[in-house]
Amino acid sequence: NAGVTQTPKFRVLKTGQSMTLLCAQDMNHEYMYWYRQDPGMGLRLIHYSVGEGTTAKGEVPDGYNVSRLKKQNFLLGLESAAPSQTSVYFCASSLAQKSWGNYGYTFGSGTRLTVV
Amino acid sequence: GESVGLHLPTLSVQEGDNSIINCAYSNSASDYFIWYKQESGKGPQFIIDIRSNMDKRQGQRVTVLLNKTVKHLSLQIAATQPGDSAVYFCAENIPVTGNQFYFGTGTSLTVIP
Repeated sequence: NAGVTQTPKFRVLKTGQSMTLLCAQDMNHEYMYWYRQDPGMGLRLIHYSVGEGTTAKGEVPDGYNVSRLKKQNFLLGLESAAPSQTSVYFCASSLAQKSWGNYGYTFGSGTRLTVV
Repeated sequence: GESVGLHLPTLSVQEGDNSIINCAYSNSASDYFIWYKQESGKGPQFIIDIRSNMDKRQGQRVTVLLNKTVKHLSLQIAATQPGDSAVYFCAENIPVTGNQFYFGTGTSLTVIP
C-alpha cells in the first residue's frame, strides 16, 4: 500500500518556466490537498479538492493551478515560476467523514522545488 | 487564516526524560485536533488525535491534553528516545471548514543521547 506518492522529489526551475507536480493516492480518499511548507511558516494550504472534477482555493492560491480529473490524482501546476515559489510542497489526502484515528491527512513525502 | 501557535520553537531533552510540547489555538469552535511528527526530509506523520469533548487521550508513549478554557494543547512523550527527534505540529479542525486543518509552525525536538 503506497499511500500518497508525489513526483518529482526534487526540481530546480528557472524563473518563468512552468511545471506540474503530480500527487497520486491509492486509498480511495475523496479529499486531496496541496500545501507548501516554508521555514517558520508552517504548512499553508494552496488548493484542495473534495472530489473528482472539483477544486477550490486555499490560503495561498496565487500563481498555482490544480486539476483533479481522476479521483486518485491531484495535479499542481506552476504556469510561470517565481523565486517566491521556492518551497517544499506536500500533497495530502483524507476521508470525507470524520472518524477516529488519522481523520486528518495522509501526507506524501514532499517535493523540494527551487526557482532560480 | 486561523492561528495555531507553539510556545517554544525548539526543545532539547535528555534521552529517557519526558518531553512536553505545547500548542495554542485561537478558534473556540475547533472540535478536533491532531499532533503530527515530521522527520527531516519526510512528510508529517499522524501521532495522536483528540476531540473537543475530551480532556486527555493516551497512545503508546504519548498523551495529548486539551484545555479548552485557555485553548491549549500539549503533547507529552514518555521516556523520550533518539528516534523521537523531529518537528512536531499541532493542527486544528474547525467544523465549518470541512476537512481543512490549520497547522502550527512546529516545535523542533532534539533528544540528547
